[in-house]
Amino acid sequence: AQSVTQPDIHITVSEGASLELRCNYSYGATPYLFWYVQSPGQGLQLLLKYFSGDTLVQGIKGFEAEFKRSQSSFNLRKPSVHWSDAAEYFCAVGAPPSGTYKYIFGTGTRLKVLA
Amino acid sequence: KAGVTQTPRYLIKTRGQQVTLSCSPISGHRSVSWYQQTPGQGLQFLFEYFSETQRNKGNFPGRFSGRQFSNSRSEMNVSTLELGDSALYLCASSLGRSTETQYFGPGTRLLVL
Repeated sequence: AQSVTQPDIHITVSEGASLELRCNYSYGATPYLFWYVQSPGQGLQLLLKYFSGDTLVQGIKGFEAEFKRSQSSFNLRKPSVHWSDAAEYFCAVGAPPSGTYKYIFGTGTRLKVLA
Repeated sequence: KAGVTQTPRYLIKTRGQQVTLSCSPISGHRSVSWYQQTPGQGLQFLFEYFSETQRNKGNFPGRFSGRQFSNSRSEMNVSTLELGDSALYLCASSLGRSTETQYFGPGTRLLVL
C-alpha cells in the first residue's frame, strides 16, 4: 500500500537559514510526488511536483525538491528561509494510471521561522 | 482563471443534523476530490468524482456521500453528524487525466457541537 512519511512534525529555523523538509514514500513503482503548503486557516497551495524526468524539481517561492529513487525520498529544500515561509508543509503521493486518482498525504511538517 | 471555491467557509451544526458542502472547480476541470483534514488524522481522501460519476472512494462510513453535477460542481453531504466529523473539508479539482495536478480550495470548516 502507498504511504508517505514526514518524520519531522515541527521544524524551527532562523530567517535566512537553509531548510530541508524530509519526505519518504512507499510505493511499488515511481509515484507522482507533490509538495503543498498550507497557511493557517487556508487550503493547500502547490509548491512543486514530480512526475518523471529531471529528478531536481524547481517550484514556486524559491523551493526545490529532489527525487531519490534509491532512498524513496522527495525532500523539499530552500536555501534561505523568509519569515513568510512559516506554514505547514505536506508531501503527497499520487498513484500513476491505475484507476485511482487520490492523493496520500503525509502528516505534515509545521515550520516556524525565527526573526 | 478563478480558483476552486467552496461554500460555506464556516459551519456550526449539532450532533444528529446533516450538512451539505459545495465545491465549484476551476473552469474546465472535470474531476473533483474531497478530503477531510483533522489534527488527529491529518488529510484523508473521501471520494473523487469525474463527469458526474464517483471514480474512487476512501474509507469513510456511508454517512458521507457526494455527487457531481453536469457543470462539474460538486456537493458532499454528511448525515447524522457526530462530534468527530468536526474538520476542515477540502475540495480539489483537476482536469481529470492521471497526470494532472489537483488544485485545492480554501476549505469549509465544520464544527459539530
